[in-house]
Amino acid sequence: GENVEQHPSTLSVQEGDSAVIKCTYSDSASNYFPWYKQELGKRPQLIIDIRSNVGEKKDQRIAVTLNKTAKHFSLHITETQPEDSAVYFCAASPLSGGYQKVTFGTGTKLQVIP
Amino acid sequence: GAGVSQTPSNKVTEKGKYVELRCDPISGHTALYWYRQSLGQGPEFLIYFQGTGAADDSGLPNDRFFAVRPEGSVSTLKIQRTERGDSAVYLCASTKGVGNPGELFFGEGSRLTVL
Repeated sequence: GENVEQHPSTLSVQEGDSAVIKCTYSDSASNYFPWYKQELGKRPQLIIDIRSNVGEKKDQRIAVTLNKTAKHFSLHITETQPEDSAVYFCAASPLSGGYQKVTFGTGTKLQVIP
Repeated sequence: GAGVSQTPSNKVTEKGKYVELRCDPISGHTALYWYRQSLGQGPEFLIYFQGTGAADDSGLPNDRFFAVRPEGSVSTLKIQRTERGDSAVYLCASTKGVGNPGELFFGEGSRLTVL
């Protein structure tokens, strides 16, 4: 089955700096890569996703890049703000048997220092 | 309802007891997932339903765990003879359905503590 590795496990940045979180996956059939943000005690919520037919996607201060050959993808947050502090999870999903099984990474705890 | 609803939000039980956790997905969402999240870890896949049937239960850790979705809407995760290692937050999520990779809408989770 799919295996998603994520690093770093913790990341501290000064407000205004950029943050980068990296993930690798194992199943070459994976074609959908979402990122979820989970604030303390809250549910995970989708912040951005990318499909295998594109290499980069941007939404305001957040961008994701995908390298299918190397099987890795990254989340980039620019101009970080204190409200960006949370745990971020990457995930990968292959279409298998006509459905999607979403496998999550272990998470990165991002702390933005004011 | 507007979102995925899970009950109970918290459950404390003793080792060896039976537990049921309920999930009410977003109306119209045919796909329903159960995940387990231990402290400091990512959500771990347990089981997926497409309609009433379990399309993939490969994540259930052992035969003490079972889930049903008899009418294709509400789902119940059942844990028999609970063990301390079962303590975790159990997350339910729903999405629109088959062959449509897209956003998982999570509930707030059921925090299970086995003493």
